[in-house]
Amino acid sequence: DTGVSQDPRHKITKRGQNVTFRCDPISEHNRLYWYRQTLGQGPEFLTYFQNEAQLEKSRLLSDRFSAERPKGSFSTLEIQRTEQGDSAMYLCASSSSLRTGGPGMNTEAFFGQGTRLTVV
Amino acid sequence: QKEVEQNSGPLSVPEGAIASLNCTYSDRGSQSFFWYRQYSGKSPELIMFIYSNGDKEDGRFTAQLNKASQYVSLLIRDSQPSDSATYLCAVITSGTYKYIFGTGTRLKVLA
Repeated sequence: DTGVSQDPRHKITKRGQNVTFRCDPISEHNRLYWYRQTLGQGPEFLTYFQNEAQLEKSRLLSDRFSAERPKGSFSTLEIQRTEQGDSAMYLCASSSSLRTGGPGMNTEAFFGQGTRLTVV
Repeated sequence: QKEVEQNSGPLSVPEGAIASLNCTYSDRGSQSFFWYRQYSGKSPELIMFIYSNGDKEDGRFTAQLNKASQYVSLLIRDSQPSDSATYLCAVITSGTYKYIFGTGTRLKVLA
């Protein structure tokens, strides 16, 4: 197992363009998370999936952001009509539900290397 | 009130000393707690997790959890310059499976 993989590692785009990022989680992990991180801040929750179901989406996430996990394996995060304020590191993480109890309990999450987005 | 709070630092300690990092959380029903280390420009990497009140030790690291006071701490013994990084506290809040992160504490270990 090679860990969580994200692609691309870096993306520079012009304002107004659409971008799509991909995340491949650890193979046996059924939960997948997307976070955004800006300089000096902790990771900010965007959304997460359990298998193919998107269970929660941040209220701070505008309609320009959409995420999918069609077969419960890899996930994509798309940002439409990018703005300069979207410039950030986008982090994907995965965890397993197999050893946990109900809501509020979770095993450790492992992060990918991130995709750094710069909107010019 | 933020869900997870950390002092942003920097916290400076001399090499060989004990570094103490603290985190408080607002949801009394939280049950899962994690510490991550993040080097500049890199993604977070897991150090430890703790679920029960008390101490949990792993090598030079000790996590301490006090649910009554709603705080979790991380002690790093025999601090090394390579421990210089930002340390992130993460909490799973009740009724969900999402990790809520603090802003992180920047640690500087002085050689």
